[in-house]
Amino acid sequence: QLVLTQPPSASASLGASVKFTCTLSSGHSSYAIAWHQQQPDKGPRYLMKVNSDGSHSKGDGIPDRFSGSSSGAERYLTISSLKSEDEADYYCQTWGTGIWVFGGGTKLTVL
Amino acid sequence: QLQLQESGPGLVKPSETLSLTCTVSGGSISSSSYFWGWIRQPPGKGLEWVGNIYFGGTTDYNPSLKSRVTISVDTSKNQFSLNLRSVTATDTAVYYCARIVRGGSLDWFDPWGQGTLVTVSS
Repeated sequence: QLVLTQPPSASASLGASVKFTCTLSSGHSSYAIAWHQQQPDKGPRYLMKVNSDGSHSKGDGIPDRFSGSSSGAERYLTISSLKSEDEADYYCQTWGTGIWVFGGGTKLTVL
Repeated sequence: QLQLQESGPGLVKPSETLSLTCTVSGGSISSSSYFWGWIRQPPGKGLEWVGNIYFGGTTDYNPSLKSRVTISVDTSKNQFSLNLRSVTATDTAVYYCARIVRGGSLDWFDPWGQGTLVTVSS
């Protein structure tokens, strides 16, 4: 079964960096994923696609502070030079044959 | 710039049918490069994929909702719609529509609508 697992919360200080993890279920370690950001009381926004080889492609207007990487079954989103507006929920998402799956989301608190 | 806007009743009674429409502007719903999808988010919870449609009418549905969901498309109005039958309080959620980009190894949602809250209550 295709499942994405994310830690429920993360925190980091203004100006620092934070790395989010999304773990693919067994047997699906070659899958690409997408990262989406949801700021408070807003709809989600697509950030980027991250491939199993670590390459990534960002959505329109996504700042250079956002980057993606991979290791095995884990896909990462790193945000550097944190700003207060980065405080949001971050969801990973993937696709199987005829199904779309989301992780449970990680809530980022910017200290 | 492509935009999506959800519309429909904000309150639905239990056992009735939830009906929402997504209007696409700034682009054609008939493009072969995209699907069109619905996603929902119960209050305080995460995102759940509901289903999607291709402009030719092909659909995919979340297996957990498949028996109650129908998604349709009206290319003449550049709209697609969601019907969810026999609703209960657990169907209370913000419902989002989104374009699904077909990316080869991955299909992803971009952009998203702003969402509309549907409450199931008598």
